[in-house]
Amino acid sequence: QKEVEQNSGPLSVPEGAIASLNCTYSDRVSQSFFWYRQYSGKSPELIMSIYSNGDKEDGRFTAQLNKASQYVSLLIRDSQPSDSATYLCAVNAGGTSYGKLTFGQGTILTVHP
Amino acid sequence: NAGVMQNPRHLVRRRGQEARLRCSPMKGHSHVYWYRQLPEEGLKFMVYLQKENIIDESGMPKERFSAEFPKEGPSILRIQQVVRGDSAAYFCASSLTAGDEQFFGPGTRLTVL
Repeated sequence: QKEVEQNSGPLSVPEGAIASLNCTYSDRVSQSFFWYRQYSGKSPELIMSIYSNGDKEDGRFTAQLNKASQYVSLLIRDSQPSDSATYLCAVNAGGTSYGKLTFGQGTILTVHP
Repeated sequence: NAGVMQNPRHLVRRRGQEARLRCSPMKGHSHVYWYRQLPEEGLKFMVYLQKENIIDESGMPKERFSAEFPKEGPSILRIQQVVRGDSAAYFCASSLTAGDEQFFGPGTRLTVL
């Protein structure tokens, strides 16, 4: 079982729609969760961090965390073509692994005009 | 406020040579992480360092790879006797504290001929 799983996509949404990206993780003691965006040939860019159950909103982005279900998601409202990228879910496991991030394989998002 | 800096951005080495990758963390950050992204693969943790200390090297290959973060100067990832399979993008990230948000540098793209 992979430690952090994402649907690889590609996920295609029309401009202006809501894009929903999902991630599950296997380690129950995981403490912090992050979403990164990576354009082709570029480095990961931090979009959102979330540490406690519930929703966290920042502009067009909303992160949702459910530790009981070991599930974290990212919603992108009013999607724009510039949002087309690979979205990486990252988990900081805690315990002896505290500090290191474990990444999912990423979901490729395409927003078409 | 400068972000994470890495150099060189591109590095070409022949098989058997040494590669040295440098990383300067964001101002005020003392936690440094190295990740590797092989072509068409996800980001994989390699090593986590604080000043003069290796905290977690569980992702480092057992041979040929080493890392340091001296009291003065940048963190260095060193690969001895490179092989073609070492060709990848190597990213450095830094954070203010362990478990905190990690910010990535632009990466070093290593090509082994």
